[in-house]
Formats: sequence, structure tokens, C-alpha cells
Amino acid sequence: LAKTTQPISMDSYEGQEVNITCSHNNIATNDYITWYQQFPSQGPRFIIQGYKTKVTNEVASLFIPADRKSSTLSLPRVSLSDTAVYYCLVGGAGRRALTFGSGTRLQVQP
Amino acid sequence: KAGVTQTPRYLIKTRGQQVTLSCSPISGHRSVSWYQQTPGQGLQFLFEYFSETQRNKGNFPGRFSGRQFSNSRSEMNVSTLELGDSALYLCASSLLGTGGTDTQYFGPGTRLTVL
Repeated sequence: LAKTTQPISMDSYEGQEVNITCSHNNIATNDYITWYQQFPSQGPRFIIQGYKTKVTNEVASLFIPADRKSSTLSLPRVSLSDTAVYYCLVGGAGRRALTFGSGTRLQVQP
Repeated sequence: KAGVTQTPRYLIKTRGQQVTLSCSPISGHRSVSWYQQTPGQGLQFLFEYFSETQRNKGNFPGRFSGRQFSNSRSEMNVSTLELGDSALYLCASSLLGTGGTDTQYFGPGTRLTVL
């Protein structure tokens, strides 16, 4: 399974855009990149998934460069409720076990 | 569509006891995976079940076991509980468990405290 590296923590203020980058140098050809959000004492919540270029949904955007060795989760105009831990995972068809890294603890301040 | 449900939500046991946790996946999902989350070790994969068969297993001792029923509901059991088993146990379901775009959806977890 591809190992991922993320910053341990980030701080931001309400209304700002937050970009969290994940490094995954040994990503395989059929691997997808998935991001989860987790609040304390709750299960991780799926945010977004992508394979290449850019994916956008109602809550976030995911940017993946051509070499796919990294990806960036972009949260537009964060609010206090976005304070959580964000996990980047890489896996493809047949790789059924999810390996979670340490995640990035995002703290949004007023 | 209802999400993944886990029961009980909270549990307190003493060392040496055993415990059984239950997970009901999203309707139509056939793959159920279990994870343990602790402050020190983070989120760790325990095992995955598909069509009542264990397909994948993490690096946990044999005291941790599980099973899946024909309706895809799953249970995990921990025997001879140790203090270090105190954790949030998470269940996740997906349609086929094939990875890729087959996204896993997590339940709220069961908080187990071993005294």
C-alpha cells in the first residue's frame, strides 16, 4: 500500500481557504486518492476522491498533478466546524485494506 | 438510505472479560471492515469480511476475531481483554470492498473502555 505523508497540523482562520497537501511518492497506476474528515469520537467521513487532475464537489476540491505523487485538498472559506483531522489515503482496485496515516489536524480559529 | 450503525456506542469492561461489538452496514453493501483507533497508534485495520468470509486481516493477535452474517451484518469479538484494548472501534462498509472508487463509509464507532 502506498505510504502517505501529510503535515501533522495546520492553523487557519474562518473565511480563509485551506490547502492540505499529501505526498504519496509510490502511488501505483490503478490507485485512487481519497480524503476523509474525522471529528473527535466519530468515524471518518468521506470528503472527496480523485484519480488525476482536478475534482470538485460541494465541500472541497482535490488537485492532483500529472505525476500523481502528491495531492492537495482545498477547503474554501473554512468555518469553525471544519476543525477536524483530515486523512489522505491511497489505494486501488484489490487493495481492500485502508491504511491511515497520522492525518492533519486542522484548527480553525475565529 | 441509513448509514452504518454500530452498537453499543459505549462499553465498559474489566480485564480478562470478553466483548462483542455489532455493525450493520449500509443497505446493499457487502463488505464490512473493522478498525481500531487509539491516540497512540491512530487508525489501524483489523479485518474485512465479504459474503461471510474474512478476506483480509491486519496485524492483531488472535484475541480479535469477527464474523459476518448472510445479511452482511458483522460482529467483532475481543477475548481476554487487556487495558490496551481500550479504543474506539470503527466499522466501515462498502459495496464490494474492491478499493479504488468503492468508497468505504464509516459508522460512529463503539468506545470501549477496559478497566
